[in-house]
Amino acid sequence: AQSVTQLGSHVSVSEGALVLLRCNYSSSVPPYLFWYVQYPNQGLQLLLKYTSAATLVKGINGFEAEFKKSETSFHLTKPSAHMSDAAEYFCAVSDGQGGKLIFGQGTELSVKP
Amino acid sequence: GAVVSQHPSRVICKSGTSVKIECRSLDFQATTMFWYRQFPKQSLMLMATSNEGSKATYEQGVEKDKFLINHASLTLSTLTVTSAHPEDSSFYICSARDLSGIAYEQYFGPGTRLTVT
Repeated sequence: AQSVTQLGSHVSVSEGALVLLRCNYSSSVPPYLFWYVQYPNQGLQLLLKYTSAATLVKGINGFEAEFKKSETSFHLTKPSAHMSDAAEYFCAVSDGQGGKLIFGQGTELSVKP
Repeated sequence: GAVVSQHPSRVICKSGTSVKIECRSLDFQATTMFWYRQFPKQSLMLMATSNEGSKATYEQGVEKDKFLINHASLTLSTLTVTSAHPEDSSFYICSARDLSGIAYEQYFGPGTRLTVT
């Protein structure tokens, strides 16, 4: 069975500071990994995805994530936080076959001026 | 491209009534659509997988008779919450998989906020 654990339900950073959101996964097959962002009362927007190609994945809005098989991690980073980055972030895993996504608990990112 | 819409965006209904939520893929065909439920400050929980022309597959613990799913065409899936109760109040989100696209790609709708009074 697949699972995702996001460490830290709430992360707070100052504007301009590094953003680091942690995600660890468990999967018995090579995983497909995703990061989504959700703004209040809205659906999910895909930030980036890992699909067994390059381990360093670049996404939209300056975000990137690195797949580390040895650590079973897929942490999301952004060098410099912007106020507009304040939102809920979800890490998700899929086996790539049936298409089912398993989501982590989510991390709320706050950005202080 | 790859836009998914949901209707309505918000609905308030009285306890005991039924409410239907539509999920449409606007610019692609979707053989598979997924329905999720999200409580405040919580993650998305998959309720069911909907395949065009066949019965939906429900996740463990989801009542089939309460959450009726119909996927009658390649662009439309509906979720009907029957005999709604206040505990059914939640944010319902659908996603769709592009028939001609990559198997693992899902495109999410904007969600429907259901409030049962």
